[in-house]
Amino acid sequence: NAGVTQTPKFRVLKTGQSMTLLCAQDMNHEYMYWYRQDPGMGLRLIHYSVGEGTTAKGEVPDGYNVSRLKKQNFLLGLESAAPSQTSVYFCASSYSSYQETQYFGPGTRLLVL
Amino acid sequence: GIQVEQSPPDLILQEGANSTLRCNFSDSVNNLQWFHQNPWGQLINLFYIPSGTKQNGRLSATTVATERYSLLYISSSQTTDSGVYFCAVEPPSGTYKYIFGTGTRLKVLA
Repeated sequence: NAGVTQTPKFRVLKTGQSMTLLCAQDMNHEYMYWYRQDPGMGLRLIHYSVGEGTTAKGEVPDGYNVSRLKKQNFLLGLESAAPSQTSVYFCASSYSSYQETQYFGPGTRLLVL
Repeated sequence: GIQVEQSPPDLILQEGANSTLRCNFSDSVNNLQWFHQNPWGQLINLFYIPSGTKQNGRLSATTVATERYSLLYISSSQTTDSGVYFCAVEPPSGTYKYIFGTGTRLKVLA
């Protein structure tokens, strides 16, 4: 099992550009999450999904959109990148919210100039 | 919303020493997890512990839900324990949202 993978690992964008971050998991997990981590801070939840075809807003959803067309994939989109979105983005998955563990991907480092 | 505070913010230990990390939360929670983020950024789940005590090797954790805190114990610390330790809580009402604390940064010296 690859676990949770993220693509790309690193990206530089100019202000106003768009991009999509891909998260994939091969553990048949129902729940998937996108977090951002800013320097010296904990993780903040952007959006999450409790199953294929469903998405919901987390703590800091503004400026991001998500889609969960397939159970194994969770996409995070930035339609018009801003310097404030410079961060490290982590994807995570769990079997269910009542299950024990969230498994994290390796992260995507995004720099918006 | 719920507040999650961790202490101490920074900790430096000599290899072999023991330590206790604390996580306080401001409201009742459904779930609580402890994570370790290694110096390369990878996040690993350590414990899922909404209440009670669990042990895994040199690490153990205790959550006293009624008093709204959780403790992570590291015994006989090793340099590989270095990194940032986060606790994350899931508020009640089945919200599925985990709220993270700002972490305790641990450095273990050889």
